[in-house]
Amino acid sequence: SAVISQKPSRDICQRGTSLTIQCQVDSQVTMMFWYRQQPGQSLTLIATANQGSEATYESGFVIDKFPISRPNLTFSTLTVSNMSPEDSSIYLCSTGYGGDGEKLFFGSGTQLSVL
Amino acid sequence: RKEVEQDPGPFNVPEGATVAFNCTYSNSASQSFFWYRQDCRKEPKLLMSVYSSGNEDGRFTAQLNRASQYISLLIRDSKLSDSATYLCVVGGSGGSNYKLTFGKGTLLTVNP
Repeated sequence: SAVISQKPSRDICQRGTSLTIQCQVDSQVTMMFWYRQQPGQSLTLIATANQGSEATYESGFVIDKFPISRPNLTFSTLTVSNMSPEDSSIYLCSTGYGGDGEKLFFGSGTQLSVL
Repeated sequence: RKEVEQDPGPFNVPEGATVAFNCTYSNSASQSFFWYRQDCRKEPKLLMSVYSSGNEDGRFTAQLNRASQYISLLIRDSKLSDSATYLCVVGGSGGSNYKLTFGKGTLLTVNP
């Protein structure tokens, strides 16, 4: 298993600003994932972050809006850029375990509100 | 068909009741299936994996029917602490098996 520390836990931001969310894992992991959970909706995968390579983004998400860093095997950041109220959501980082890495542990999430 | 579709809920049941959640998925090539639990304002946590042979963990039983692309979760003798949102989760296929698709969740409230 893995313990994931995510911060900040919540923030209220002004339109047009950017917020960087950090995730620290207590062990080395190959893949880290960033999800978004909008109010009343299911979790949606934003991107997969592998150490030493560019993140892979899902349809509807682009690097300019959600730049991701993965400098080592225990850490990743997600930046929400040029925020608008539509970006208000919970953002979750996760990493996988199990034979194929498909069982996920999640960080505690970042509740983002954009005014 | 939506990628992962669950009973809309909410479910309100008394303590001790048996409650069943259903879920259907669209990708017939999916290789992995899970139920996650999400408490209010908390992150999702893995409840159990789901196998074709069915699996049981205490009061929880999960079933998978690949032919019908259907997953179920049965909770027996429900407790107040079972109150949460239950997420049906389906893995990808081929090289994308690690990509999980989440259902919207079904809210369960167990009442004293």
